[in-house]
Amino acid sequence: SAVISQKPSRDICQRGTSLTIQCQVDSQVTMMFWYRQQPGQSLTLIATANQGSEATYESGFVIDKFPISRPNLTFSTLTVSNMSPEDSSIYLCSVRGQGSGYTFGSGTRLTVV
Amino acid sequence: AQSVTQLDSHVSVSEGTPVLLRCNYSSSYSPSLFWYVQHPNKGLQLLLKYTSAATLVKGINGFEAEFKKSETSFHLTKPSAHMSDAAEYFCVVSESVSGGSNYKLTFGKGTLLTVNP
Repeated sequence: SAVISQKPSRDICQRGTSLTIQCQVDSQVTMMFWYRQQPGQSLTLIATANQGSEATYESGFVIDKFPISRPNLTFSTLTVSNMSPEDSSIYLCSVRGQGSGYTFGSGTRLTVV
Repeated sequence: AQSVTQLDSHVSVSEGTPVLLRCNYSSSYSPSLFWYVQHPNKGLQLLLKYTSAATLVKGINGFEAEFKKSETSFHLTKPSAHMSDAAEYFCVVSESVSGGSNYKLTFGKGTLLTVNP
């Protein structure tokens, strides 16, 4: 299965600033997914990122708040913009591998103060 | 539209006793179903997956799950709990969106498993 390197692993940010999270995959993948896991909650899909096209956002998530880049088949970034304390969550990227299994990055634990 | 319901938010068992974590799903298409485990401050690890092959699926660490289409269930079981099994468990359904190849995962709310000595 694919191996994902996600960074940073954690950060503490000031409100009003932005943070960019990076995911590097050790193999080429068509689709990458970004999730949010709020404290004590399950994972919610933010968007699906395909290389060479605009990301597809889920209901409740917008590009201005969570811009995504997908410059090639092994890399993607998610930016959390104009942060507020409500954005404090764990953010994870994921890819769909062989045999329909999914692999997840180790997550970025974001605290906004 | 797909959805997942984990029937118990918290399950507590004694070490050495059986584990049952319940999951029901709803899907418009033939779904793939997964169980993931998340240990504290760790990433998500795939326990097992069902993808329309054998209905009884064996996973890692002695876990298994049975796909029952008539009951729309995919319960996770283990004959004997170990202290290291204490974690959050997520039941997940995946189906192709609009019949194409854009697969989307929907997570249940999770079940916290506590194992008592």
